[in-house]
Amino acid sequence: EAGVVQSPRYKIIEKKQPVAFWCNPISGHNTLYWYLQNLGQGPELLIRYENEEAVDDSQLPKDRFSAERLKGVDSTLKIQPAELGDSAVYLCASSLGLAGSSYNEQFFGPGTRLTVL
Amino acid sequence: LAKTTQPISMDSYEGQEVNITCSHNNIATNDYITWYQQFPSQGPRFIIQGYKTKVTNEVASLFIPADRKSSTLSLPRVSLSDTAVYYCLVPEGSSASKIIFGSGTRLSIRP
Repeated sequence: EAGVVQSPRYKIIEKKQPVAFWCNPISGHNTLYWYLQNLGQGPELLIRYENEEAVDDSQLPKDRFSAERLKGVDSTLKIQPAELGDSAVYLCASSLGLAGSSYNEQFFGPGTRLTVL
Repeated sequence: LAKTTQPISMDSYEGQEVNITCSHNNIATNDYITWYQQFPSQGPRFIIQGYKTKVTNEVASLFIPADRKSSTLSLPRVSLSDTAVYYCLVPEGSSASKIIFGSGTRLSIRP
């Protein structure tokens, strides 16, 4: 079975440009997460979806970041406009149930490494 | 901030047993403890999860004392390929609906 798929793997853009990341979770996983990971740090949650509903977006910088999960499957994370400080790895993960349950195993994709020049 | 505290880094040698201890003094009654492993240029990967006493799988063992305020991930006979960052996690939020990654423990294995 395929794991979490993300694209692109790498993206280099100039500041003030828009950028979008795509994620296809594991089939049947209702919960989808977007994380941001800076070098040397652990992943930081940006947004969590339960099916198509964003149930936790408290850490998403809504002035420039947006996300959607149409039909409760694939998801897209967008940044517009990008800033130098947005350079990081953006990880997508999915799980069967809620993160805090005893079956909270999250399956991560390989991430998208964004470089903003 | 994450509810867990773990060493920033550890070094060991091939063939040794490595134990990484994590503190979670404010763990709630129903919280499970989960460990993830992350290699460079990859997303984190689930290793093991436990609630109390001992859990063992093909990769590691997890020891949890009776008070559950700490846990120890044990990696038997490590190899160079075990060099990675290891994260200890407990649920967060009013409904334990999410987990927060700290900085993890950077484990370096030497020949």
